[in-house]
Order: sequence, then structure tokens, then C-alpha cells
Amino acid sequence: DIQMTQSPSTLSASVGDRVTITCRASQSISSWLAWYQQKPGKAPKLLIYKASSLESGVPSRFSGSGSGTEFTLTISSLQPDDFATYYCQQYDNYSGGTFGQGTKVEIK
Amino acid sequence: QVQLVQSGAEVKKPGASVKVSCKASGYTFIDYYMHWVRQAPGQGLEWMGWINPNSGGTKYAQKFQDRVTMTRDTSISTAYMELNRLRSDDTAVYYCARVRDYTGRHFDLWGRGTLVTVSS
Repeated sequence: DIQMTQSPSTLSASVGDRVTITCRASQSISSWLAWYQQKPGKAPKLLIYKASSLESGVPSRFSGSGSGTEFTLTISSLQPDDFATYYCQQYDNYSGGTFGQGTKVEIK
Repeated sequence: QVQLVQSGAEVKKPGASVKVSCKASGYTFIDYYMHWVRQAPGQGLEWMGWINPNSGGTKYAQKFQDRVTMTRDTSISTAYMELNRLRSDDTAVYYCARVRDYTGRHFDLWGRGTLVTVSS
């Protein structure tokens, strides 16, 4: 099975900061990576798909990059609404779906 | 509007079964695979499997292979996830999630979740 490892687990930042979260896959997943934002008591929300494609309606301060085994989610200027937990996710037809363990973005 | 509406919270005893429903509206139900994902309290997201609403074909995570059954009723655009032989560590919020596109790899539409509590 493909394992997904996110870092850091927790990140403390201030409004206006540039924030980067990393996700590593245990084997190459090409560009088949997505990023989700989840707030307490809510379902996850798709932000980025296929590693770098911005989902419709998602602010342009969110961006994704990477391919193969290493990926990043960047928030260019952190806004109050962005304090949440972020998950990376992959799916392959052989082993199924896997999520990273999550990165909680907290107010500094 | 395009949405997934899930059934309400359940409380079950260990060893029992639970069946969660997910009703799709606003799009053609049979055109998009439906996945199920769960989240234990304070924990991360865990993928459980998918169903092809058109054919009824399924794929389950190995962890749940012998306890989960995913079905659908195309006449009412509803997908179901049944988990058997419940244990206390099955206490979680269960989400249905629609795939975004033909690649079937990412999820753009989620239900609000169904809390299943397993307790004696």
C-alpha cells in the first residue's frame, strides 16, 4: 500500500504569513495528489487536485506543486479563514485511497 | 443543488451492524463513483472503499474487506455503506464522497457525515 506522510503535524503562523505543508508518498504517484481543508465539525473541502490544479471557487492564495513522491501545498498569505487542518490524499487503482495524517494550522 | 445528504446519527452495540445512506441530488447519480471515508474522533481521514453506482461494482480497503458492504439504489439515487460486527474503535463520522471527474482519484463533493457511536 502507498503511505502518505505529511509534515509538519502542527504549524503555528500569523495572518499574512506564507505557509508551506509537505506531503511525501512512499512510492511514485505521478501527479495524482489532492489537498483538502477541514474545519472542526465539517466535511473536508477539495482545494487542489492533480497536484497543482486549483479547484473552482478556491482562492488563488492556495497553490500546489510537486510530482512523483514529494508535494507541497502553499498558502501565499494566510487569512483568518485558513486556520484549519489540511490533508493530502492519493488514490491508485491497485491499493486504493490513502490520506496523510493531517497538518493543523494554528494561530501564532 | 448538487449535494449529498446522509442519514442521521446512529448508536449501536458492539457486534451489531450499521447501514448509512447517502442520497445524491443535482447531478446524474450513475455517472460518478461514490467513495466512503471515515474519521474517528480527533483523528485523520481513513478511506474505506468505493461503489460504481452504474454497475454496482465495488472495491474495499483491505482493512474492511470482510466487514463492509457498499450498495446502491439507482431508483432513488442513494448509496449505502453497511459495516458489520461493530467494535468500539468503529466509532467515527462516516462520509460519502463523490469523485471529481473521470479519473476517479479525488473527491469534490462530500456529505456532511454520519456519526456512528459504538458503545455497550
